[in-house]
Amino acid sequence: DTGVSQNPRHKITKRGQNVTFRCDPISEHNRLYWYRQTLGQGPEFLTYFQNEAQLEKSRLLSDRFSAERPKGSFSTLEIQRTEQGDSAMYLCASTLMAQTGAAETQYFGPGTRLLVL
Amino acid sequence: QQPVQSPQAVILREGEDAVINCSSSKALYSVHWYRQKHGEAPVFLMILLKGGEQKGHDKISASFNEKKQQSSLYLTASQLSYSGTYFCGTESYNNDMRFGAGTRLTVKP
Repeated sequence: DTGVSQNPRHKITKRGQNVTFRCDPISEHNRLYWYRQTLGQGPEFLTYFQNEAQLEKSRLLSDRFSAERPKGSFSTLEIQRTEQGDSAMYLCASTLMAQTGAAETQYFGPGTRLLVL
Repeated sequence: QQPVQSPQAVILREGEDAVINCSSSKALYSVHWYRQKHGEAPVFLMILLKGGEQKGHDKISASFNEKKQQSSLYLTASQLSYSGTYFCGTESYNNDMRFGAGTRLTVKP
C-alpha cells in the first residue's frame, strides 16, 4: 500500500454511459498525475495537477475526458459517453514537487480497471 | 516523446545479470524506474536526477547519462522476485512525465 487510494477498483459500464473515478493522493503531495494503461503497455500520460491547477493535458485526452482537483487534495477523472476503446486501467500517482523543482518519487495507486461493454 | 526501452523482453536464469536501456529524444531532467507485476500497479525503484548519477540498492542499480539522454538499469545476480515488467519514466525540463513501453523480465530457476 503506497498511501494513494483509488475508487472504485473495478468498473463495468455500457457504451455511452458516463463514469467517474476518484483518486486520493498522499496528503502532503502537491502534484497528482493521471495515467491510462492498457495490457502490455506502459502508463500513458493523461494529465497532471499542481495543487488545484491542471498544468498539462495530453493530446490523447479527448473532450470526453475531464479531470478536476478542486481543493488540491483528491482528484476525479470523468469519462463521458464511454467507448469500448476506453477500456483500460486508470492509474493515479502523486508526488511532492519541492520548491527547487526537484521531483520526488511518484507513488502509484492500485488503479481503477474500466471495462466498457 | 515516449522514451524507447530496449530490449522489449529478456529471459534470465537465476543468478544471471541483465541491463535494460531507456533513451529519449528530449533533454531530460530526471529518469524514474519502476517495476510492475502482473495485475498490480507500478512500484517505484529509483529516481536519477543528475547527469552521470548512478544509484542503486540491493543488486539493482541505474545510471543516467544526461548528455546522451539515456539511462540504464542494471540487475545483477537476478532473483526470481525480479520478474516483472520494468518501465522507465522520463521527465523533461517542463516537468511532463512519459513512460516507455516496458521491458518484460522473466527469471527462471
